Amino acid sequence: AQSVAQPEDQVNVAEGNPLTVKCTYSVSGNPYLFWYVQYPNRGLQFLLKYITGDNLVKGSYGFEAEFNKSQTSFHLKKPSALVSDSALYFCAVRGPGGGNKLTFGTGTQLKVEL
Amino acid sequence: DTAVSQTPKYLVTQMGNDKSIKCEQNLGHDTMYWYKQDSKKFLKIMFSYNNKELIINETVPNRFSPKSPDKAHLNLHINSLELGDSAVYFCASSVGTNSNQPQHFGDGTRLSIL
Repeated sequence: AQSVAQPEDQVNVAEGNPLTVKCTYSVSGNPYLFWYVQYPNRGLQFLLKYITGDNLVKGSYGFEAEFNKSQTSFHLKKPSALVSDSALYFCAVRGPGGGNKLTFGTGTQLKVEL
Repeated sequence: DTAVSQTPKYLVTQMGNDKSIKCEQNLGHDTMYWYKQDSKKFLKIMFSYNNKELIINETVPNRFSPKSPDKAHLNLHINSLELGDSAVYFCASSVGTNSNQPQHFGDGTRLSIL
């Protein structure tokens, strides 16, 4: 069975500082990993994905994520946080075996303050 | 142009009633999904259809019955609503079942059972 862990319920960061939102995964075989963001009263929006290739993946709104196979992690990062980045962030994993079942983490609330 | 649209946005009803939620996508995708997000923001897949055929059916009470009249539509009918059904229900779509492309989400239907 595949699973995702987001160990932090909330991350607080000052605007202009770098941010990291952590994610670790468990899946048989090579993982397909995704980050989504959810703003209040909205659906999830895709940020970036890792399928294969370069371990550093760049996505929307200046976000990037680093795939680390040995640590089974896929942490989301941004060099300089904005207040408008405040939202709920979800990491998700899909196994390579076909079907398109995404398993989501429990979400991390990011709060960026002035 | 709304890519994945759900109606209604809000649904308030009495316990024991039967209700339906509709979803339409104009992205030309083959695969559609229903997710349930509970009050703690935990997101779990319920069903998935590919070209009108059911491919994912998680452990969901049989009071929930999805129906896909064509590949652009996936509706969710719920019989005998219970208090525990209160949640936000999200529809999503993707290019295909074995695709590495992301899922696109609607803005959700907020179901409240009185």
